[in-house]
Amino acid sequence: DTAVSQTPKYLVTQMGNDKSIKCEQNLGHDTMYWYKQDSKKFLKIMFSYNNKELIINETVPNRFSPKSPDKAHLNLHINSLELGDSAVYFCASSQVARTEAFFGQGTRLTVV
Amino acid sequence: AQTVTQSQPEMSVQEAETVTLSCTYDTSESNYYLFWYKQPPSRQMILVIRQEAYKQQNATENRFSVNFQKAAKSFSLKISDSQLGDTAMYFCAFMTSGSRLTFGEGTQLTVNP
Repeated sequence: DTAVSQTPKYLVTQMGNDKSIKCEQNLGHDTMYWYKQDSKKFLKIMFSYNNKELIINETVPNRFSPKSPDKAHLNLHINSLELGDSAVYFCASSQVARTEAFFGQGTRLTVV
Repeated sequence: AQTVTQSQPEMSVQEAETVTLSCTYDTSESNYYLFWYKQPPSRQMILVIRQEAYKQQNATENRFSVNFQKAAKSFSLKISDSQLGDTAMYFCAFMTSGSRLTFGEGTQLTVNP
């Protein structure tokens, strides 16, 4: 029983392409997040959704667009991929603000 | 702005010994949560322990315990009886009412046999 699942685990693509990463949680949580982990392992929040509404939108290029069709899903679409987008992207969820976040297994995106 | 600082990029410890990882944070909020997450080579982010700021008692989870000093804004993690499987990157994290989980830079812990 996977709590937070992301697909795909690995994604290799060429510059300029458009790609999506899917995330689903079966924990009944009301808040979902996208985090980016760079090559130095630093984790930075990108977006946060609460009950399908965007509540945090960090300074992220508008090539990145989150989509939340329902509160169990938060997908990340990236347009016109650049070399600097190469990173590990983590989806996470939590029940109520201030409680721990549960993370997916991460998606390693490599742009060539 | 909230910040989390882990001043030890790397640490090592012998198996069965005790090690302490440091973390300090800065915030103007009074209600918040603190966490330690572990990231082994598998890449999975695993919650190790959590602490509510309003609780004075330090959290404990088996071999893992914290030393929470609210006035000093310090939140260190002690690992007792270190095991090879504890080798991982450890992240200190802080969550406020805005649902923003802020991470420190991480400490790479290596447990040597």
